[in-house]
Amino acid sequence: KQEVTQIPAALSVPEGENLVLNCSFTDSAIYNLQWFRQDPGKGLTSLLLIQSSQREQTSGRLNASLDKSSGRSTLYIAASQPGDSATYLCAVSQEDNTDKLIFGTGTRLQVFP
Amino acid sequence: NAGVTQTPKFRILKIGQSMTLQCTQDMNHNYMYWYRQDPGMGLKLIYYSVGAGITDKGEVPNGYNVSRSTTEDFPLRLELAAPSQTSVYFCASTATGSGYTFGSGTRLTVV
Repeated sequence: KQEVTQIPAALSVPEGENLVLNCSFTDSAIYNLQWFRQDPGKGLTSLLLIQSSQREQTSGRLNASLDKSSGRSTLYIAASQPGDSATYLCAVSQEDNTDKLIFGTGTRLQVFP
Repeated sequence: NAGVTQTPKFRILKIGQSMTLQCTQDMNHNYMYWYRQDPGMGLKLIYYSVGAGITDKGEVPNGYNVSRSTTEDFPLRLELAAPSQTSVYFCASTATGSGYTFGSGTRLTVV
């Protein structure tokens, strides 16, 4: 059974720092991996999607990498800002043509001025 | 585009009552999903659909039912509500190879 783990569970950093959030999964037979942002009391916003054949994706200050064979992904946030404060969720889908996602429990990030 | 629209946003139910959570998407996505999120936990899949007329159980389907009569709509039915169903419910949709689009959620309390 696929399990997704995110470390750390919470992170508090000063503004301007570069951050790395980690995600690991137990079954390497994934179809894709997605990173989401969730603000308190809100829905999820898709940040980056990495297909299983890709190594990384970039969007602005965000860069996500995927090492499928080792079951790991990292989300790199450059020059963090208070507006980046949110919970970041990692999720994987399997190679079963359903696109169902298995989620980690998230990393709660606080960036203070 | 509106994306994924969920109603209601909040609801309080008494034990044993029933209700339907509505979900509509206007992106012509084939795949639709219902997840629940409990405090401090990741999202868990309740039911999903890969197209109109096709539904299947996810990880936590007990106490729920769904239907998918059209591409746009994917309602979630709660029968005989129980306190264990107190949660935040998210509907989502996607097309193959694309990222997910989530609704804003329904916060349900069963008392």
